[in-house]
Amino acid sequence: EPEVTQTPSHQVTQMGQEVILRCVPISNHLYFYWYRQILGQKVEFLVSFYNNEISEKSEIFDDQFSVERPDGSNFTLKIRSTKLEDSAMYFCASSDSWVLNTQYFGPGTRLTVL
Amino acid sequence: EDQVTQSPEALRLQEGESSSLNCSYTVSGLRGLFWYRQDPGKGPEFLFTLYSAGEEKEKERLKATLTKKESFLHITAPKPEDSATYLCAVQAGEGKTSGSRLTFGEGTQLTVNP
Repeated sequence: EPEVTQTPSHQVTQMGQEVILRCVPISNHLYFYWYRQILGQKVEFLVSFYNNEISEKSEIFDDQFSVERPDGSNFTLKIRSTKLEDSAMYFCASSDSWVLNTQYFGPGTRLTVL
Repeated sequence: EDQVTQSPEALRLQEGESSSLNCSYTVSGLRGLFWYRQDPGKGPEFLFTLYSAGEEKEKERLKATLTKKESFLHITAPKPEDSATYLCAVQAGEGKTSGSRLTFGEGTQLTVNP
């Protein structure tokens, strides 16, 4: 069964450093998403992406964040200058339609900012 | 602002003891309600999508139902392997330009004892 994959599974970084989280969505999906989950809190939407541009973003997704689809299979989330409060699980998701879509999630990347 | 509230926060059952989890929502134009299962340290695993009031979906020991204000996830004769956090999420908005973000509830942590 096709699945979303994410690398690395755990990333430790120093405050102020840049990190790139990587995702490989399900191959025939066209819509891509990033969510995050701070420990003990709910899953929160960050951004959606389609046709090489951002479709929607939340208030969390400020100028520190950027997304890119550098090739036909990868989808990345970059955090330019990490803060302590960026520590969280980051989940990538993908879907094959925009309307009435089911989003399939990857296993997540645990980001720890020291 | 879309709101999703799940109850109870935690539920402990004996194996075989059936129960229900609740998800109440306040949204502007519900497009879909989603149930996911999340194991510790893992990504949300898709279970069901419900689109309209009165709709029901079943999978093994799980059955999801939807009304205009809430959804229930019924667990019949649960087993220890059903232990997980169950997440409810909504997708809302009207028209083709509406977003596809999911808004999640806090989840219900289910423990099934043998």
